[in-house]
Amino acid sequence: ETGVTQSPTHLIKTRGQQVTLRCSSQSGHNTVSWYQQALGQGPQFIFQYYREEENGRGNFPPRFSGLQFPNYSSELNVNALELDDSALYLCASSLVGENTGELFFGEGSRLTVL
Amino acid sequence: QQQVKQSPQSLIVQKGGISIINCAYENTAFDYFPWYQQFPGKGPALLIAIRPDVSEKKEGRFTISFNKSAKQFSLHIMDSQPGDSATYFCAAFKAAGNKLTFGGGTRVLVKP
Repeated sequence: ETGVTQSPTHLIKTRGQQVTLRCSSQSGHNTVSWYQQALGQGPQFIFQYYREEENGRGNFPPRFSGLQFPNYSSELNVNALELDDSALYLCASSLVGENTGELFFGEGSRLTVL
Repeated sequence: QQQVKQSPQSLIVQKGGISIINCAYENTAFDYFPWYQQFPGKGPALLIAIRPDVSEKKEGRFTISFNKSAKQFSLHIMDSQPGDSATYFCAAFKAAGNKLTFGGGTRVLVKP
């Protein structure tokens, strides 16, 4: 069973640029969520995708967008990067219907915005 | 708005001691209250979870105590080991939307 994998692991961008982060869900899972974890803080929910559609969104502006593909992999896109976007971005997958609070997280993509 | 508040931010415990982490939540419409463990360079991983109609759940050395009327819950780590040194997050889970709301985290250091 393959776990959640994310790429790239680290990247550096400058303010105003755009970034795309990628995630492969755990085998058998059909939902994917993205979380932002600032240094020393708990993860914050960005959005969730199910059946290739956004199925819930946290308090993040529209410049944060995503995609889910038929194979359940996903992308997080952030436009017009700001310094405060520097964080660890976590992807998590789960199976709809197994609502016990367990999401399976990847190791994250560490984004630094200069 | 912060719906889950966690304390302390950090704690140091001797090997064999008890670690206690507390959380409080502000919304009653949550379905599960999980605790996640995160090691440096890794993503969070589920440790233990409890439903709001249960007052206590124990798995090995880890116990959740849940007080629905006070909207509080806590994690007890018994016989703490150096390998337990990690950051622990309480969370509240809403099945509709499959969404976790995390607390701010507690960094636990277990000294040998």
